[in-house]
Parts: sequence; C-alpha cells; structure tokens
Amino acid sequence: GQSLEQPSEVTAVEGAIVQINCTYQTSGFYGLSWYQQHDGGAPTFLSYNALDGLEETGRFSSFLSRSDSYGYLLLQELQMKDSASYFCAVKDQAGTALIFGKGTTLSVSS
Amino acid sequence: DVKVTQSSRYLVKRTGEKVFLECVQDMDHENMFWYRQDPGLGLRLIYFSYDVKMKEKGDIPEGYSVSREKKERFSLILESASTNQTSMYLCASSQEIRDRSTEAFFGQGTRLTVV
Repeated sequence: GQSLEQPSEVTAVEGAIVQINCTYQTSGFYGLSWYQQHDGGAPTFLSYNALDGLEETGRFSSFLSRSDSYGYLLLQELQMKDSASYFCAVKDQAGTALIFGKGTTLSVSS
Repeated sequence: DVKVTQSSRYLVKRTGEKVFLECVQDMDHENMFWYRQDPGLGLRLIYFSYDVKMKEKGDIPEGYSVSREKKERFSLILESASTNQTSMYLCASSQEIRDRSTEAFFGQGTRLTVV
C-alpha cells in the first residue's frame, strides 16, 4: 500500500523560510500533491509535482525527487496566515484515490 | 465557483443510530471520496467512488457503507453509530485523469459526535 511520512510540527517566525519534508512509499507513482488546511477549514490544494524538480508558485515552492521517494514544500517570507496544517498526498495503487500523510502543523510567530 | 457541499456542519447522534452524511458536488466530477480526520492521524480514506453506483473500500471501511445513485451525490452511512466514530468527516471530489493526480475539492466537513 501507500504510506507517507512527514514531521508532525514545525515552528518558525514571520519572514523566515521553512521546509516541510515528505517521504513516501508507493506501489505505482502518479505524483506528489500538497494541501493546506487552516484550523476549522477544508483542505485546499497547493501544488502538484509529477516530475523531478522544483515548482514555484509565489511564496510557495514544491520539490520532488522520484529516485529518493522524497519531496518537500518550501514556504518563503512566512506570514502569520501561513499557520496551518500541511499535508502531502499520493494516489493509491489503482491511481484513483488520494492517500494523505498525517500532516505537519506549522506555527508562525511574530 | 466550484463547490462541494456537505449537508450538516455539526451532528450529534446516539449510539446505535443509523446516520446518513450527504455530500453534493457541482463540478461534474467522476470521483468522490469520504475521509475522516482525527487529531494526529491525518485524513484517512473510508470509501471512494469513481462512477455512479461504483464504490471502492478505502483504508478504514469497517462500520461504514456508501451510496452513489447520482453523479453529483455521494452518501456515507454509519449503519450503527458507535462512540469511536466520533470524528470530522470530509467529503471530496476530483476529475478523473488516469495516471496523474488532479486537484481534489473538499467540503467544509461534518463534525459528528456519537453519544
């Protein structure tokens, strides 16, 4: 089956850069996705990497290394509003359902 | 604006009751999913459906069933609610593109308490 590992908590200060790592084990790989969830809110899509390398979207970037079964989400110029949980996700063996990691809680302080 | 709507935001039910959680999406998506979210455990997949009347078990299907009679609607059924089913339930939908991941859209969740 699919499994994902990510740190449970990360703390940082405003303006800093933080990296949230994700390692995965999969039978069949269809790319790595990242989702953000604010407290009390629904998860929302941030990014998707199918190929090796860095994808940049504003202050957020996501990286993938398929040979290492590893990816990370990089958040730059942190703001208080970035305090949230971040989940990495892969598709299941059949390539249909999304399987999520347990999530990383990011706390940004002033 | 795309939308996944769950019928209830908060629900309190008694042990042994049959509970229906409803989810509707307006994006004509093929795939629909039910997850439960518990502190420290992330989002765990209960059931999903890739077409009308089709369903597949996820990682934790025990104690649950689902129904998809129409493309836009996916229902989660707790046959006999138990206290260990107290949780946040999240519905999601996504477009089906084989062999690649597509963005999943989530509802706001139903916080179910079983007493």
